[in-house]
Amino acid sequence: GAGVSQSPSNKVTEKGKDVELRCDPISGHTALYWYRQSLGQGLEFLIYFQGNSAPDKSGLPSDRFSAERTGGSVSTLTIQRTQQEDSAVYLCASSLAAASTDEQYFGPGTRLTVT
Amino acid sequence: GQNIDQPTEMTATEGAIVQINCTYQTSGFNGLFWYQQHAGEAPTFLSYNVLDGLEEKGRFSSFLSRSKGYSYLLLKELQMKDSASYLCAVRVLNAGNMLTFGGGTRLMVKP
Repeated sequence: GAGVSQSPSNKVTEKGKDVELRCDPISGHTALYWYRQSLGQGLEFLIYFQGNSAPDKSGLPSDRFSAERTGGSVSTLTIQRTQQEDSAVYLCASSLAAASTDEQYFGPGTRLTVT
Repeated sequence: GQNIDQPTEMTATEGAIVQINCTYQTSGFNGLFWYQQHAGEAPTFLSYNVLDGLEEKGRFSSFLSRSKGYSYLLLKELQMKDSASYLCAVRVLNAGNMLTFGGGTRLMVKP
């Protein structure tokens, strides 16, 4: 079926506003991951879900960031009171399960620009 | 935490062979991945190594030495379309299933 999809593809917002980013994983994939990639940088892990639970939230950069996943499928990443340093590409990935050999499939990302 | 190093940029000629190195320092190593990322696109999986040795997949091969904390990605018969960033990522035990990525190596293939 279709790959990982993310929306919106681009988001420009003013500093201080809240934004919500959406990820639709590959159907049947139980594990879902959020990363962000700043310009010219590597990927930074944010959070992952196994089913609807997030065992490890330590990668979230601040308490302005939160994520949820309902129904074991779609996930949303919410950034409150956005700051300019939040500008980055936010990538979502999914895998069959959170097993060590499972390849992660990435979505196209959401490019967030905070002005 | 983990520390992953790879060269920032490399240039090679079409038809040649290029080796992209990655060194890592981590405890609880549980696998190393290579991803390819074209500009403005999502990373795509290239290879996975968890045991020492060479994994070959067509024009691409990946090598791992766990004792040295070292991996390389070997690209043969380079094509212009191989111009992209190559990301090395490490998975560790007891850290969920997250990948820790290096900064990526931007490869430019010239005619």
